[in-house]
Amino acid sequence: EAQVTQNPRYLITVTGKKLTVTCSQNMNHEYMSWYRQDPGLGLRQIYYSMNVEVTDKGDVPEGYKVSRKEKRNFPLILESPSPNQTSLYFCASSPGSLWGYTFGSGTRLTVV
Amino acid sequence: AQSVAQPEDQVNVAEGNPLTVKCTYSVSGNPYLFWYVQYPNRGLQFLLKYITGDNLVKGSYGFEAEFNKSQTSFHLKKPSALVSDSALYFCAFLQAGTALIFGKGTTLSVSS
Repeated sequence: EAQVTQNPRYLITVTGKKLTVTCSQNMNHEYMSWYRQDPGLGLRQIYYSMNVEVTDKGDVPEGYKVSRKEKRNFPLILESPSPNQTSLYFCASSPGSLWGYTFGSGTRLTVV
Repeated sequence: AQSVAQPEDQVNVAEGNPLTVKCTYSVSGNPYLFWYVQYPNRGLQFLLKYITGDNLVKGSYGFEAEFNKSQTSFHLKKPSALVSDSALYFCAFLQAGTALIFGKGTTLSVSS
């Protein structure tokens, strides 16, 4: 089944403890992206990647890192999480910019 | 700044009635516009897109959207609403050919 898989689905962590949210797609898509969803703010793009080793900042990149060493994987790294990063995170992939994105099921992160 | 706006936080409609979820855009050049739906505890699903061509775009689950250049709108419509259409709907545009920028979302509630 064609899909974007994120792990974990739920995560509670403490301020300052480094964490990684994994994202993997099995559709050989070039484009991958991370979004965060907050009530009243909709979805905001954190980072995106147009291909292996090509990444760029979205609207809200502060406090996040990404890497794209392989086409299928696009992990999101929070090196020192803070409570304002408590949010619902989505990874998405697309074969090209004019195609629709396929989204993962989301990761609900709580930083205390 | 370029953007899309969803002027209604919530739309209520009775089952069987037509529904409209509004989206207006402020995008330079030819806009590439999208609609996504998010069901509770799920990721976003692509509904339809306007890239070029016919102003009436047909998508998944019986939805359609009309691109109106003079009114800078891209409203989502369905002739007969179902209770199962109740969800959160997002309008989005493609910025600089790479970043998908979302509106804040409209909650559709269909009553039986």
